[in-house]
Amino acid sequence: DIQMTQTPSSMPASLGERVTISCRASQGISNYLNWYQQKPDGTIKPLIYYTSNLQSGVPSRFSGSGSGTDYSLTISSLEPEDFAMYYCQQYDSSPWTFGGGTKLELK
Amino acid sequence: QVKLQQSGAELVKPGASVKLSCKTSGYTFSTSYMSWFKQIPGQSIEWIGMIYAGDGGTGYNQKFKGKATLTVDTSSSTAYMDLSSLTTEDSAVYFCAREAWDVMDAWGQGASVTVSS
Repeated sequence: DIQMTQTPSSMPASLGERVTISCRASQGISNYLNWYQQKPDGTIKPLIYYTSNLQSGVPSRFSGSGSGTDYSLTISSLEPEDFAMYYCQQYDSSPWTFGGGTKLELK
Repeated sequence: QVKLQQSGAELVKPGASVKLSCKTSGYTFSTSYMSWFKQIPGQSIEWIGMIYAGDGGTGYNQKFKGKATLTVDTSSSTAYMDLSSLTTEDSAVYFCAREAWDVMDAWGQGASVTVSS
């Protein structure tokens, strides 16, 4: 199975701050990488698909990039509703696997 | 709009089975894929498997083969997951999600399963 390692596991940040979350795969995944947001009530929402494509309805302050084994999610200016958990997920090969998650916390 | 409504929380005894449901609306269920996931509170998400509603074809994470069985009822636009021979390690929140173009673009609210005697 492909292992996905997310860093950091938690990140204190302030409103308006620019933040970047990293995700490293144990082998190349050819950009087959999605990002999801999970709120404290458990609700899960897709943010980015195929490395850098914004899911419909997701604000443009979210962006994704990367290639090979290294990928990242950037939020350009944090809004109150952005404080949540974030997960990367690869779909290059079955089974689909997720990173360990990054908790974005208000500083 | 697309909605996935999961069944409620379950408290089951070790060794028992449970069947979770995921009722969908707002899209053509019969030509869609549905995936299921497991999340132990405080931990990450695991993919259990997927099913194509068109023909019931399935694909499973090897880890969950023999544990989970995915089915669909196209007449009611509902997906199901049977979990068998439950142990305390199966206590978790289980999610269904529609898979479209390799992204899970709509998720159920999650269903908690607690295995306890």
